[in-house]
Amino acid sequence: QQQVKQSPQSLIVQKGGISIINCAYENTAFDYFPWYQQFPGKGPALLIAIRPDVSEKKEGRFTISFNKSAKQFSLHIMDSQPGDSATYFCAASGDSGTYKYIFGTGTRLKVLA
Amino acid sequence: EAGVTQSPTHLIKTRGQQATLRCSPISGHTSVYWYQQALGLGLQFLLWYDEGEERNRGNFPPRFSGRQFPNYSSELNVNALELEDSALYLCASSLGDRANNEQFFGPGTRLTVL
Repeated sequence: QQQVKQSPQSLIVQKGGISIINCAYENTAFDYFPWYQQFPGKGPALLIAIRPDVSEKKEGRFTISFNKSAKQFSLHIMDSQPGDSATYFCAASGDSGTYKYIFGTGTRLKVLA
Repeated sequence: EAGVTQSPTHLIKTRGQQATLRCSPISGHTSVYWYQQALGLGLQFLLWYDEGEERNRGNFPPRFSGRQFPNYSSELNVNALELEDSALYLCASSLGDRANNEQFFGPGTRLTVL
């Protein structure tokens, strides 16, 4: 019940295309869902986050879609660029009053020039 | 504003030794989290400290321990190192309340156990 399942494991997209990464969770107590971007040798950087009271949040080229009934959320990267090539992690938190993050297993994105 | 800092950047130890990793949170943040990222794997929650107290720990053996100091910096100690402890150890900080749980990560400490 603590897991966050992330797919796909890897993704190759052409420059200018849309990258879509999906995550699913079981625990309905989760109430905060961030996405992180990580480049090799670096710590994860917060990209965008959403709470269950909204179905979509957009920041620049990054959009989170949230489906509370299906317990799923996804990251859409519009107009993908080679500089977006990185590993992306979804996460969830808010269970049992703890603020720890449960992370997905990550998606390695490669955007071809 | 300075971000989360961690030291050392790299640490090489042999099996059975002890390792100490340090983290300084963003100014004003009271919560510090530690995560382990083994090669090619996701981030696994280790420990959460807030206001100097351990608030939660992940599914790791007791030889993983730590503390938080009055200035909110934190230390992670790993005793009796094993080969599988080799990983990137990430520290994150946050304001420590439900409404502001954005966690900001440091660059990590790469621990190698030989």
